Amino acid sequence: AQKITQTQPGMFVQEKEAVTLDCTYDTSDQSYGLFWYKQPSSGEMIFLIYQGSYDEQNATEGRYSLNFQKARKSANLVISASQLGDSAMYFCAMREDYNTDKLIFGTGTRLQVFP
Amino acid sequence: EAQVTQNPRYLITVTGKKLTVTCSQNMNHEYMSWYRQDPGLGLRQIYYSMNVEVTDKGDVPEGYKVSRKEKRNFPLILESPSPNQTSLYFCASTIRGRRNSPLHFGNGTRLTVT
Repeated sequence: AQKITQTQPGMFVQEKEAVTLDCTYDTSDQSYGLFWYKQPSSGEMIFLIYQGSYDEQNATEGRYSLNFQKARKSANLVISASQLGDSAMYFCAMREDYNTDKLIFGTGTRLQVFP
Repeated sequence: EAQVTQNPRYLITVTGKKLTVTCSQNMNHEYMSWYRQDPGLGLRQIYYSMNVEVTDKGDVPEGYKVSRKEKRNFPLILESPSPNQTSLYFCASTIRGRRNSPLHFGNGTRLTVT
């Protein structure tokens, strides 16, 4: 069973608008961590934001925030005031096994920001 | 600058010709891992290492070997590459056991096997 699901293969957003990228996850653990990464066309993987399962507040990092709904097992990334440079692939990932430190990735969402 | 360095960035080879992709990190991380990225499949873990001389299989280990003789280096070896190993490969490292520690990735190696 897929542990991380990103149902949006592609998204479009106009510059300066906000956009939400969806991520749902499946785990029976109580303790886990969720990560979002950005992959621009140059190919590198850039860490954006982290949310721990016990964190009471939604994580925020500049224009990035996480809409974390634990009961629904969702961790959606919200990008506010989109910029052309936000055009990229975005991956959601989960670490549920702290013994192996393994990150499990979703299939990604390609975001295109247009003027 | 803290970084994970992979080489080469691009590699084209033929079926059966052994190759090694190098990976080095300067952050003193215990944990290192290799992933491959394929369209529609996201990133899948090939092998990981929790410390020197400790390696273990990930989700897609067939056709790959790794070694961890030094803390900073974690090379990926393809003894007899095949076309289905054409992919984008990433090496990554992190601090062991710290739940909020992200994986730090190298810039990737795009491998084509003909």
